[in-house]
Amino acid sequence: QKEVEQDPGPLSVPEGAIVSLNCTYSNSAFQYFMWYRQYSRKGPELLMYTYSSGNKEDGRFTAQVDKSSKYISLFIRDSQPSDSATYLCAMKAGANNLFFGTGTRLTVIP
Amino acid sequence: DTGVSQDPRHKITKRGQNVTFRCDPISEHNRLYWYRQTLGQGPEFLTYFQNEAQLEKSRLLSDRFSAERPKGSFSTLEIQRTEQGDSAMYLCASSSDPGRRGNTEAFFGQGTRLTVV
Repeated sequence: QKEVEQDPGPLSVPEGAIVSLNCTYSNSAFQYFMWYRQYSRKGPELLMYTYSSGNKEDGRFTAQVDKSSKYISLFIRDSQPSDSATYLCAMKAGANNLFFGTGTRLTVIP
Repeated sequence: DTGVSQDPRHKITKRGQNVTFRCDPISEHNRLYWYRQTLGQGPEFLTYFQNEAQLEKSRLLSDRFSAERPKGSFSTLEIQRTEQGDSAMYLCASSSDPGRRGNTEAFFGQGTRLTVV
């Protein structure tokens, strides 16, 4: 079993829809949770960072962490075609390396 | 551009050849990481440095791979006797010292795409 599981999609939604992306994990030591966005043939770009359980909002993006269920989510409101990318969840136990999900490929259709 | 810089962006090499990649981190960051990403997968950790010290290596880093950060600034990743299975995107990331906060965000470069033919 992988330490981080993420549905690879692909996911297609119409412009303006609310997008929900999710990851589950098995290592209860994970404390830091991140979402990265990756455009084709580019490096990952940090979108959201959350410590421990709770919610964090930044513009159209909301990240949620439920440590009791080992489940994290990213919501995108009013999705735009420019949001079309692969979204990677990532997490770590301390200050060292990140463990990534496989990424979910999202397409927002105009 | 003050982000993480990687060179080259693309490398095509014949099986059995050696290749070397370079990473220039964000200047004030003392931590530097190497990851490998294959098609349809998330990045996988290879190794990381704090300043010039290599503090952790993944089991993915076989003896054909070597990484250095001689002066605690830029880093190189060398792959000897390349194999077709080495074809991947090699990503470099950097972060500042976590200090008391226990975590700082890692910023990634654009990667070096390696194709072994």
